[in-house]
Amino acid sequence: ETGVTQTPRHLVMGMTNKKSLKCEQHLGHNAMYWYKQSAKKPLELMFVYNFKEQTENNSVPSRFSPECPNSSHLFLHLHTLQPEDSALYLCASSQAAVHTEAFFGQGTRLTVV
Amino acid sequence: AQTVTQSQPEMSVQEAETVTLSCTYDTSESDYYLFWYKQPPSRQMILVIRQEAYKQQNATENRFSVNFQKAAKSFSLKISDSQLGDAAMYFCAYRSARAGHQGGKLIFGQGTELSVKP
Repeated sequence: ETGVTQTPRHLVMGMTNKKSLKCEQHLGHNAMYWYKQSAKKPLELMFVYNFKEQTENNSVPSRFSPECPNSSHLFLHLHTLQPEDSALYLCASSQAAVHTEAFFGQGTRLTVV
Repeated sequence: AQTVTQSQPEMSVQEAETVTLSCTYDTSESDYYLFWYKQPPSRQMILVIRQEAYKQQNATENRFSVNFQKAAKSFSLKISDSQLGDAAMYFCAYRSARAGHQGGKLIFGQGTELSVKP
């Protein structure tokens, strides 16, 4: 248990569905991240939020829409996804101004059918 | 842009033996942090060890130690007295030491799958 909780753990959705992934951290961190982990590929950074403000969008398609209502919660809204979007989506948090490590959630295994 | 490379997709070690996982990186920055993360089948990414680039001394955490060669941009992980629970995917990661919004993101290598034989 790292203090970062992701729900759901597994998600199967059709290409026309709309779903959301949730991440919550209880560590008092001020930065949160979404990473995508596909088979045989390095983890890819998707979004960075610092103090609730999006500070990086790593050329992510608009069918992925992040939301950070406060420094403890991060969402990833999904709509009209493609089968190639099937992957493990990992949330992480850290102290942005203090150079500590990032803590990760257990991920959401997403399958798009 | 910074890159991280792990050239060993898979490694195997006998229980109680020692194994070394390789990692190289490329950066034009002089101050940064390097990490090794472990991802077991549970998918939880767990920090194994961290190295600050300004420190010459290699980091050590119990059975885990690193060989940090800054000039060569090399950061290998040595696992001593390997245990069955060490079996996992291991990722090398880089983080800039610049303060502010760019300071937090991690750049990962492709990972090395470590299996431990009883």
